[in-house]
Amino acid sequence: GAGVSQSPRYKVAKRGQDVALRCDPISGHVSLFWYQQALGQGPEFLTYFQNEAQLDKSGLPSDRFFAERPEGSVSTLKIQRTQQEDSAVYLCASSLLSSGGYNEQFFGPGTRLTVL
Amino acid sequence: QKEVEQNSGPLSVPEGAIASLNCTYSDRVSQSFFWYRQYSGKSPELIMSIYSNGDKEDGRFTAQLNKASQYVSLLIRDSQPSDSATYLCAVNQGGFKTIFGAGTRLFVKA
Repeated sequence: GAGVSQSPRYKVAKRGQDVALRCDPISGHVSLFWYQQALGQGPEFLTYFQNEAQLDKSGLPSDRFFAERPEGSVSTLKIQRTQQEDSAVYLCASSLLSSGGYNEQFFGPGTRLTVL
Repeated sequence: QKEVEQNSGPLSVPEGAIASLNCTYSDRVSQSFFWYRQYSGKSPELIMSIYSNGDKEDGRFTAQLNKASQYVSLLIRDSQPSDSATYLCAVNQGGFKTIFGAGTRLFVKA
């Protein structure tokens, strides 16, 4: 595809439900990032994949959050037993290179999660 | 102290003026610096990246980096109403994690 795609674009969940958010990165991009963005704030790093390997998950807020990228392409962010504080926009970004620093990231449209 | 700090704004400039957006960061080992533009309800879009001290120009945009002062800025010349957005400063320390500021809201008055 031409860019990063995410689905669903909007998700409403009742507190306690599990949700799964999907990210399709730009074809051939090695690196994939997940971010959480609260209203009025910048994106907060959640986790990073280099191909299928999850190399940094230091930003995941709790063990209810889990991410995978089993074949090094599509990634899924799963949130178990959702809480109201999980309400945010979840952004996925990909970049061509595997190196950390000099890595221009391209963002998908995001998934807006609302937990009631 | 936040790792990446930006004035939240809003910064209001008239059409055709220069908009100056500023960002400071706390970690001296930071290596790469990025400016993203984010329209309301949309995702961040990369505008500029800068890796070494000095100025980098791309069209109407100029990024300036001063590592000694831990300061990075973005100048937008001939500002247009379509430039009205939130501008996010992002900093990478060489690892996998990029730290974003909270953003500065820019409003360009026609």
